[in-house]
Amino acid sequence: KNEVEQSPQNLTAQEGEFITINCSYSVGISALHWLQQHPGGGIVSLFMLSSGKKKHGRLIATINIQEKHSSLHITASHPRDSAVYICAALQLNYGGSQGNLIFGKGTKLSVKP
Amino acid sequence: DAGITQSPRYKITETGRQVTLMCHQTWSHSYMFWYRQDLGHGLRLIYYSAAADITDKGEVPDGYVVSRSKTENFPLTLESATRSQTSVYFCASSDGPYYEQYFGPGTRLTVT
Repeated sequence: KNEVEQSPQNLTAQEGEFITINCSYSVGISALHWLQQHPGGGIVSLFMLSSGKKKHGRLIATINIQEKHSSLHITASHPRDSAVYICAALQLNYGGSQGNLIFGKGTKLSVKP
Repeated sequence: DAGITQSPRYKITETGRQVTLMCHQTWSHSYMFWYRQDLGHGLRLIYYSAAADITDKGEVPDGYVVSRSKTENFPLTLESATRSQTSVYFCASSDGPYYEQYFGPGTRLTVT
């Protein structure tokens, strides 16, 4: 079983729809990252959060530490939001070292006009 | 230019050859990371560095060597490339282990 699971794997939406991508993790974490990978391959960090909720424009990320679950929401989706969205758990005390990110396999989002 | 850059962006090499992938960042971030991205696996950590001359293994270090003589550079060397090392390699940097990571554009490596 993967330590970080994302759902769905693929998502197709119509422009304007509200989108939710889910991430569950089984390890102890200090923070959780949401990343966006564009069709060209570049990776951009969207959020890093350890509790509660963060909002940036039309993007909202939430995390529930007790339930080990995070969600990424996109309001009023647009074709330019089409990308792969990746969640990554920053694992606590990885082998005595620090900074180990465990990545989900990503959710491929396609927003149709 | 400011930011994090990788070179080359694309590389084709033969099995058994030595290959070095370069990563350079201009933010003076203390931490730097190397990841590989493969279909079905997502991103996996190869090596990371907490500072110049300090490196440590990640999840998949076998077949790779790193060095970090200067804060801004973190080269990744495949000493004897194998087909299983065909992948897209991403370098990243951050201010610390619990800070946001910034990713380079990636290097697509094909080993024939």
